[in-house]
Amino acid sequence: QKEVEQNSGPLSVPEGAIASLNCTYSDRGSQSFFWYRQYSGKSPELIMSIYSNGDKEDGRFTAQLNKASQYVSLLIRDSQPSDSATYLCAVIEDTDKLIFGTGTRLQVFP
Amino acid sequence: DAGVTQSPTHLIKTRGQQVTLRCSPISGHKSVSWYQQVLGQGPQFIFQYYEKEERGRGNFPDRFSARQFPNYSSELNVNALLLGDSALYLCASISAQRIDTQYFGPGTRLTVL
Repeated sequence: QKEVEQNSGPLSVPEGAIASLNCTYSDRGSQSFFWYRQYSGKSPELIMSIYSNGDKEDGRFTAQLNKASQYVSLLIRDSQPSDSATYLCAVIEDTDKLIFGTGTRLQVFP
Repeated sequence: DAGVTQSPTHLIKTRGQQVTLRCSPISGHKSVSWYQQVLGQGPQFIFQYYEKEERGRGNFPDRFSARQFPNYSSELNVNALLLGDSALYLCASISAQRIDTQYFGPGTRLTVL
């Protein structure tokens, strides 16, 4: 089974800074990658998907994919206290199931 | 359009009991997946159903079963509950156009005492 690794954190950044969240995966054949945000006590919310090497930007969020290094990252620019949550990295296995990492807890302090 | 709905929101059961959790996908979505999320972990895949057929099953015991109805809603059943079944149970709705993109419902928090 594919594995996804994330640092559990917490990652603490000051308001307005760039938060950098990292994820590695075990299966070199993985094609689809996702970042979910999960607030405490809530369900995961899809914030980014990425399929090709390079960067993909959506507002304050940038996903970066490096398939050669089996590495996915999420950058959050101008971090806000409302960004404080757990960020889950996931890859698709067999086209129908998501394999998640354990998540990185992000804390943005004023 | 309504998002993914799940019921109940919270549930408390005792060991050995049985539980049924319900999910309705986003309108137009024909596929659902079920995940279990234990505190401090990422969600773990349990089942996927498409057009009422089981398409995938995760590494869970036979105490876990599911089905999908003609209106694409789904039920997850867990028999002979154990303390370790306490978790957030998530239903994900999947579009036929983007089968790799899954949208989660609010979840059902199950506590087994």
